[in-house]
Amino acid sequence: GDSVTQMEGPVTLSEEAFLTINCTYTATGYPSLFWYVQYPGEGLQLLLKATKADDKGSNKGFEATYRKETTSFHLEKGSVQVSDSAVYFCALGNTNAGKSTFGDGTTLTVKP
Amino acid sequence: SQTIHQWPATLVQPVGSPLSLECTVEGTSNPNLYWYRQAAGRGLQLLFYSVGIGQISSEVPQNLSASRPQDRQFILSSKKLLLSDSGFYLCAWNRGLNQPQHFGDGTRLSIL
Repeated sequence: GDSVTQMEGPVTLSEEAFLTINCTYTATGYPSLFWYVQYPGEGLQLLLKATKADDKGSNKGFEATYRKETTSFHLEKGSVQVSDSAVYFCALGNTNAGKSTFGDGTTLTVKP
Repeated sequence: SQTIHQWPATLVQPVGSPLSLECTVEGTSNPNLYWYRQAAGRGLQLLFYSVGIGQISSEVPQNLSASRPQDRQFILSSKKLLLSDSGFYLCAWNRGLNQPQHFGDGTRLSIL
């Protein structure tokens, strides 16, 4: 079945550092890929998405490229801020009733 | 624009008491609806999903049930809560295959 594997956390960075959170997937068909962000005590928010191979999703300085050859969708940001501290979830869309498959989440803490 | 509402935001219940959590979506019709549970510091566990009124699919056997009495209303219930039902409950919706999900703000449920 479909699965998503995320880089284990927690990840701690200093402000303005470069961020990479790795995500790889296993899926049948051609799923869309998503990154969500969850701030403490809140629900998940869609951060960015990509719908086909080589698409790059971007939002708020974050980027991720849909790599079919390596089945990856790594999240990157060039310069993180304290306000980026949150839990990040990688997910893929399914063809079964719109369900998504989520990774376990990666906790990011950015220190000033 | 579409919005999703969940209530209550927090709930403290004794073991053995009943539960009713409600979720409503505005600004769209015939959404797919989902209930998730998130244990502290953990990923998402899909509990139920629904593709239409009265249509409920259960992902894991448990002490909970779900109902969809109206197109944009999704209810999570229990007749007798267990300690293990504690957690953060999230409702979400999307429009179908390969689409991102949109989450409510969640309900923090504590069982005493």
